[in-house]
Amino acid sequence: GENVEQHPSTLSVQEGDSAVIKCTYSDSASNYFPWYKQELGKGPQLIIDIRSNVGEKKDQRIAVTLNKTAKHFSLHITETQPEDSAVYFCAARAGKSTFGDGTTLTVKP
Amino acid sequence: DGGITQSPKYLFRKEGQNVTLSCEQNLNHDAMYWYRQDPGQGLRLIYYSQIVNDFQKGDIAEGYSVSREKKESFPLTVTSAQKNPTAFYLCASTPAQVHYGYTFGSGTRLTVV
Repeated sequence: GENVEQHPSTLSVQEGDSAVIKCTYSDSASNYFPWYKQELGKGPQLIIDIRSNVGEKKDQRIAVTLNKTAKHFSLHITETQPEDSAVYFCAARAGKSTFGDGTTLTVKP
Repeated sequence: DGGITQSPKYLFRKEGQNVTLSCEQNLNHDAMYWYRQDPGQGLRLIYYSQIVNDFQKGDIAEGYSVSREKKESFPLTVTSAQKNPTAFYLCASTPAQVHYGYTFGSGTRLTVV
């Protein structure tokens, strides 16, 4: 089955800095890669996704890149703000999604 | 508005009791999932269902049971066989097509008292 590894497990940045979270996957059949943000006590919410035929996608301050050959994809958050503090999960989907273990991002004001 | 609703938000279970967590969606999604999340941990798959009247075990199905009698509903029962049920439970749904993300509910926090 699919295996998704996510790094780092915790990340602390100063407000205004950039944050990068990286994931690798094992199943070459995976062709859809979503990212979720989970705030304390709430369910995860989809924030951006990328399909396997695309190398990069941007949405305001967030972007995702995908390298299918190397089987890794990354989330980039620029100009971080305190409200970006949350747990972020990556996932890879062929049939059902397989999730990474999550990254706790703390943005210090 | 379309969405996925979990109830109750908080649930307390006595030792030896079965409890049922509700999950309802009005998104017309085919697939539904149950995850368990322990403090500071990731999402562990309990059960999933891709069509009505069919479901499959996930990675940690022991001590749990589900049913999928209607497309909109996927209740999870935590049985007395689950020895450590205290956790945050998340329900999710998605269309059958691969290129869609999951829509998650707001979760049920279950505590054994």
